[in-house]
Amino acid sequence: AQSVTQLGSHVSVSEGALVLLRCNYSSSVPPYLFWYVQYPNQGLQLLLKYTSAATLVKGINGFEAEFKKSETSFHLTKPSAHMSDAAEYFCAVSDQDNFNKFYFGSGTKLNVKP
Amino acid sequence: DAGVIQSPRHEVTEMGQEVTLRCKPISGHNSLFWYRQTMMRGLELLIYFNNNVPIDDSGMPEDRFSAKMPNASFSTLKIQPSEPRDSAVYFCASRQDRLGASQPQHFGDGTRLSIL
Repeated sequence: AQSVTQLGSHVSVSEGALVLLRCNYSSSVPPYLFWYVQYPNQGLQLLLKYTSAATLVKGINGFEAEFKKSETSFHLTKPSAHMSDAAEYFCAVSDQDNFNKFYFGSGTKLNVKP
Repeated sequence: DAGVIQSPRHEVTEMGQEVTLRCKPISGHNSLFWYRQTMMRGLELLIYFNNNVPIDDSGMPEDRFSAKMPNASFSTLKIQPSEPRDSAVYFCASRQDRLGASQPQHFGDGTRLSIL
């Protein structure tokens, strides 16, 4: 089975600062990777996905993520945080034998300070 | 396009009562997933269906939980009898796997369940 590790359950940044949320996966082959965002009292919304077409993936709201096979990482970044980015972020990987089955990280709550 | 629709959004009931959560997946999606989210355990997959057939129910906590998908546009998750420890947010998600392995899951807004 796959696993996903998100380092840091809480990350706090100032408005305008760089956002870096970390995700590492366990897989012997390049998987399909996803980042989701969850705002309070809402479901998970897709931010971006990695499909092997390009290692740098751009998503919505100015977020992007870089796939690094050598580090088995898929970290999420945004150059300049906005107050509206405060939410919980989840990294997910699909099972290499069953693409319907996703494994989610434990989530990182992003706090943006004014 | 309408997303995944869940009802009710909130449910408060007393221990021992039957609870039924409902989900309408995105039209054309052929896989449906039920998740539970709690502070302690995070996001847990309970069960998923493919083409209306239950494929993996290994995450269902116990026999008090059951799920059905009578047709491609409707699914229910039932808890009978309910217990306080079942209090959580329950999410339904759907996916179109015929479009390829990179298709994401799409989530509803969840049902916040409180068992008193």
